[in-house]
Parts: sequence; C-alpha cells; structure tokens
Amino acid sequence: AQSVTQLGSHVSVSEGALVLLRCNYSSSVPPYLFWYVQYPNQGLQLLLKYTTGATLVKGINGFEAEFKKSETSFHLTKPSAHMSDAAEYFCAVSVGSNYKLTFGKGTLLTVNP
Amino acid sequence: AAGVIQSPRHLIKEKRETATLKCYPIPRHDTVYWYQQGPGQDPQFLISFYEKMQSDKGSIPDRFSAQQFSDYHSELNMSSLELGDSALYFCASPYGGVEGDGYTFGSGTRLTVV
Repeated sequence: AQSVTQLGSHVSVSEGALVLLRCNYSSSVPPYLFWYVQYPNQGLQLLLKYTTGATLVKGINGFEAEFKKSETSFHLTKPSAHMSDAAEYFCAVSVGSNYKLTFGKGTLLTVNP
Repeated sequence: AAGVIQSPRHLIKEKRETATLKCYPIPRHDTVYWYQQGPGQDPQFLISFYEKMQSDKGSIPDRFSAQQFSDYHSELNMSSLELGDSALYFCASPYGGVEGDGYTFGSGTRLTVV
C-alpha cells in the first residue's frame, strides 16, 4: 500500500521568502504524485502533478515540485511567497490505474507580512 | 468549464438522523470518488464508482451507502448519524483521460451532526 508523509504540519514564512513544503512517499510501484491546495472552507485545488516524464513539474501560482525517486520525495517549492499563498497544502499519491488518492496529513502555510 | 457540483453545501442533522449528499460529476464523466475530511484532518477515501458500479471501497462505515445513477450523478446516504460523522464530504471526478491525471474536486458538503 502507498503512503505519504508531510514533514511539518505548520510552516511559517515571510512574504517574499522561499516556500518549501516537504513530502515523502512510500510505494511499491511507480507512483503518481500530486499537490493540492485548500483554502478555508473550500474544496481541493490541484497545484501540480507528476505522472511520467520530466521530474521537475511546474504548476499554478508559481509553484513547482521535483520528483526524486532516489529520495522518495516530491517537495513543493515557490521562490517568493505571497500573502495569498496562505492555505493548507496536501501531498497525495495514487498508483496504477486506480485514481484513489492517499493524502498526507497536510501542511498549513502561514505567510507573514 | 463545468465543474463538480455537490449539494447541499451545508447540512445540519441530529444524532441518529439520516443524510443524503449528492454529487454531479463533470458532464460525461463516468467515475466518481467520495472522500471524508474530518476537522483538521486529511481527506480519507470512502468509495468510488465507475459506470454505475462500485469500483473500490475504503474506510466507509456500514451505516453509509452510496450509488451512482444512470446520469452518473452519485448519492452518499448516511444513516444513524453520529457526532463523529461531522466532516467535509468531497466528491471528485477524474479528468484528462490519462491514467493518474488527477481529478477535479467539488466544493464539498459540510455536514454537522448535533
């Protein structure tokens, strides 16, 4: 079975600073990896995904993530944080032809002015 | 573009009552996934349907049942509600036609059991 571990339930950065949200996965077969963002009382919005091909994936709102098989990681980064980035971020994994997602526990990103 | 529609957005029920949540996937999409997200928790997979048949089952209580209809909308029926059932319930509709391409989530139904 697959699983996801997000390191740090709460990350706080200053506006304009680098954002780094960590995600490690466990899967016995090649995984598909996703990052979702959730604003308060809203649904989940896909930021980016890795399925096959290029390991550096660019998403919306200036976010990107790099799939590193050797480290079983899929960390999310953004060079410069904006106040509007404050939200909960979930890393998720699915395997095979099954669309079922297994989520990490989430990381709450706070952006300070 | 059409999205995933869930109704109602909010629902308040008393313990031991019954609730029905509805999900209308992206038009012509034949697959629906249901997730439950408790307060401060990550979403947990409940059940999924493909072409009106149950395709997978997760941590769904026996008190819950779901089905997918001929127009591909799905309903999650919850009976004998408990306080612990208070959560945000999402449904999701796969898109892209590519394996593992991710999917679109609805805005969710917030169920509060009092």
